[in-house]
Amino acid sequence: AQTVTQSQPEMSVQEAETVTLSCTYDTSESDYYLFWYKQPPSRQMILVIRQEAYKQQNATENRFSVNFQKAAKSFSLKISDSQLGDAAMYFCAYKAGAGSYQLTFGKGTKLSVIP
Amino acid sequence: ETGVTQTPRHLVMGMTNKKSLKCEQHLGHNAMYWYKQSAKKPLELMFVYSLEERVENNSVPSRFSPECPNSSHLFLHLHTLQPEDSALYLCASSQDTSPTYGYTFGSGTRLTVV
Repeated sequence: AQTVTQSQPEMSVQEAETVTLSCTYDTSESDYYLFWYKQPPSRQMILVIRQEAYKQQNATENRFSVNFQKAAKSFSLKISDSQLGDAAMYFCAYKAGAGSYQLTFGKGTKLSVIP
Repeated sequence: ETGVTQTPRHLVMGMTNKKSLKCEQHLGHNAMYWYKQSAKKPLELMFVYSLEERVENNSVPSRFSPECPNSSHLFLHLHTLQPEDSALYLCASSQDTSPTYGYTFGSGTRLTVV
């Protein structure tokens, strides 16, 4: 079974600084997808960024980027120029390739942004 | 508008009550999901529906009963719950049952069983 591990239950970052959230996963699949979701106090999980395992290039979305290391099964999220609105729970998720409907989530990392 | 709407936002119920959670999606998606979110635990998949047919029941106790009358609506009927069932219940949808672009989530129902 696939597992997703987020080893940092809590992190903090100064406003305007950069922070990296860690995620590792365990799989025997070669084709899969990885996601980072943000859950603010409003509770709605919002997709931040997505990575396809067969693509070598790291995904980026504005201030958010990932460091995808397939061999190490690592998928970290970097947030640049942190803003107060970035404070939230962040969840890493894994989905096996075609035919799989389930996303497997980590336990989450609570990010605080210090003004 | 989030695209996936859940009601009620909060629910407190006794162990002998019967209540229902509602989820509605306005995205034209064909698959809908119920997840349970408990503190310090990964999200747990409960049920999956594809085109109104249940395709997964993840060993969920029978006191949770899902219903999907059409591709836009999903319900979770609750009866004789236990205090350990207190959690945030999240509904999600996806275009199909191989969500390579992930899910779209609602804001959840915070359930407290007393």
